[in-house]
Amino acid sequence: ETGVTQSPTHLIKTRGQQVTLRCSSQSGHNTVSWYQQALGQGPQFIFQYYREEENGRGNFPPRFSGLQFPNYSSELNVNALELDDSALYLCASSLNTGADGYTFGSGTRLTVV
Amino acid sequence: GQSLEQPSEVTAVEGAIVQINCTYQTSGFYGLSWYQQHDGGAPTFLSYNGLDGLEETGRFSSFLSRSDSYGYLLLQELQMKDSASYFCAAYNQGGKLIFGQGTELSVKP
Repeated sequence: ETGVTQSPTHLIKTRGQQVTLRCSSQSGHNTVSWYQQALGQGPQFIFQYYREEENGRGNFPPRFSGLQFPNYSSELNVNALELDDSALYLCASSLNTGADGYTFGSGTRLTVV
Repeated sequence: GQSLEQPSEVTAVEGAIVQINCTYQTSGFYGLSWYQQHDGGAPTFLSYNGLDGLEETGRFSSFLSRSDSYGYLLLQELQMKDSASYFCAAYNQGGKLIFGQGTELSVKP
């Protein structure tokens, strides 16, 4: 098991810019989810991919988009960044349904100025 | 809407027992998970209750009552390293996790 790794760990962007965050899932995990966690809050579900298809989305606008690749890596893209997008972005992977728990990465801390 | 309520903070002393409660209101509910997070790092899976009753894993136990839309995490023999944020999360249809706002546990000597 290699765990879940995310890159970069920290990022500063200017309002209006676009950003791509990357995640390498735990080996063999075919489900990946992305979460946004504001300071002092719980993670908020953005969307989930299963075998490269989006199969669930939270209450986030279309400027939040993602991809999952055959090697189980994934990315989160955010267009037209807003100040409120500043948060910790967490990637989590699991095998199939995830009832036995998701493995989270340490996240990317995004600051929008 | 979907929401989970849990206390914002709890304080206890080393060696004590603490219970963190969680009430939920979600659609398509399958089960309740608990995660631990230290200082904004990676949340770590602690337990999952898909059925009513108690699940025990070492010093940690978790309980679910579907009829009451209620669950709790019980931490026994508290250690300083248990100081962290604890999140209940509803596991919904399709495998989506809806998190509560988190309970910050402070363990004092």
